[in-house]
Amino acid sequence: GAGVSQSPSNKVTEKGKDVELRCDPISGHTALYWYRQSLGQGLEFLIYFQGNSAPDKSGLPSDRFSAERTGGSVSTLTIQRTQQEDSAVYLCASSFHQGETQYFGPGTRLLVL
Amino acid sequence: GDSVTQMEGPVTLSEEAFLTINCTYTATGYPSLFWYVQYPGEGLQLLLKATKADDKGSNKGFEATYRKETTSFHLEKGSVQVSDSAVYFCALRNTGGFKTNFGAGSRLFVKA
Repeated sequence: GAGVSQSPSNKVTEKGKDVELRCDPISGHTALYWYRQSLGQGLEFLIYFQGNSAPDKSGLPSDRFSAERTGGSVSTLTIQRTQQEDSAVYLCASSFHQGETQYFGPGTRLLVL
Repeated sequence: GDSVTQMEGPVTLSEEAFLTINCTYTATGYPSLFWYVQYPGEGLQLLLKATKADDKGSNKGFEATYRKETTSFHLEKGSVQVSDSAVYFCALRNTGGFKTNFGAGSRLFVKA
């Protein structure tokens, strides 16, 4: 079956612009996660959605970052007023339930000039 | 807080060499431990996992044993192939939790 998909695969933007990154989880998965992978760094947790519960936003690095998940499926991560330090690969993962194996998408590579 | 430390490399090996990638962790409670692999141009994939002390996870010739006494989960493979070239991430998740803590990743190059 289809895995987790993300779009765009690459995004180049200018400092100060807003960007939206999209994640389509595996159908039926109730849990969705966003991570950031900076060059030479491990994965940094950003935000977690579980079903219709309020998301855990504890990993968002600043109030320029926000995410929503519509209808318990597709999720959009928005970065406002992008900065050069936001350049990274943004990874989305989903799992059937909380605590179960996470399946990752291929990521969106963001470059802020 | 919970954390994972792994040797970062890059590690360069010849085909059929023995591989060890070290991973140690710090955690409260009894975490589950994971190794993920990221092949070039692809997303992370779960390689193997272990959920309690002394468990051995294994897959595709790779194995790792959950050692509580040394808080380690080292990844090993007896004979690597060129196709094993990838980045390997050690990770932990605490019991009942959702947040998975990842190491920085270890890049492996295998040359023919």
